[in-house]
Amino acid sequence: AQSVTQLGSHVSVSEGALVLLRCNYSSSVPPYLFWYVQYPNQGLQLLLKYTTGATLVKGINGFEAEFKKSETSFHLTKPSAHMSDAAEYFCAVTGADTGANSKLTFGKGITLSVRP
Amino acid sequence: DTGVSQDPRHKITKRGQNVTFRCDPISEHNRLYWYRQTLGQGPEFLTYFQNEAQLEKSRLLSDRFSAERPKGSFSTLEIQRTEQGDSAMYLCASSLMGGGSPLHFGNGTRLTVT
Repeated sequence: AQSVTQLGSHVSVSEGALVLLRCNYSSSVPPYLFWYVQYPNQGLQLLLKYTTGATLVKGINGFEAEFKKSETSFHLTKPSAHMSDAAEYFCAVTGADTGANSKLTFGKGITLSVRP
Repeated sequence: DTGVSQDPRHKITKRGQNVTFRCDPISEHNRLYWYRQTLGQGPEFLTYFQNEAQLEKSRLLSDRFSAERPKGSFSTLEIQRTEQGDSAMYLCASSLMGGGSPLHFGNGTRLTVT
């Protein structure tokens, strides 16, 4: 079984500042990890994913995340926040052993606000 | 790739009524998922199809809920005898096979039960 913890429900940053959204996971098998973004009244859009290989993964809109097995973390970062980054962000995990099943377990999400 | 399409976008119904939602996945995707999302929470898994076979159902999916995917194309989610606790956003997603294949989500159907 897998679970995701996203500490804090709301993060506020100034435009141009570093964005750091934290995600810790629990998995009894090697994990596949994902970050999704959700804008109001819309579905979820994939930002980036980690499956195997390089532990630093780059996604869309300048976001990146680093898989740290020893810390069971997959934090999302962006060097410089833009007003358009204001949205809700979800971290999700599935087990690499699930084979044909890509069922994801999501965290509760973090709302990112960007101040002018 | 026209994306995952869900209909309707919004549904308001009275308690006790039945409702049905439709999801059209990305055409080449053989996996289809239903999730439920309540305010301030992440999506919660409801059920999953591979082609036309329903392979897994969550304990969240009570007997009042039923999902189908005839012919392995579009899917419907029906809720019978709706309750106020059913009010939520119902999200559909599809994906290719492979454990690391990302889910592509539709814009959801927001259900309000009065």
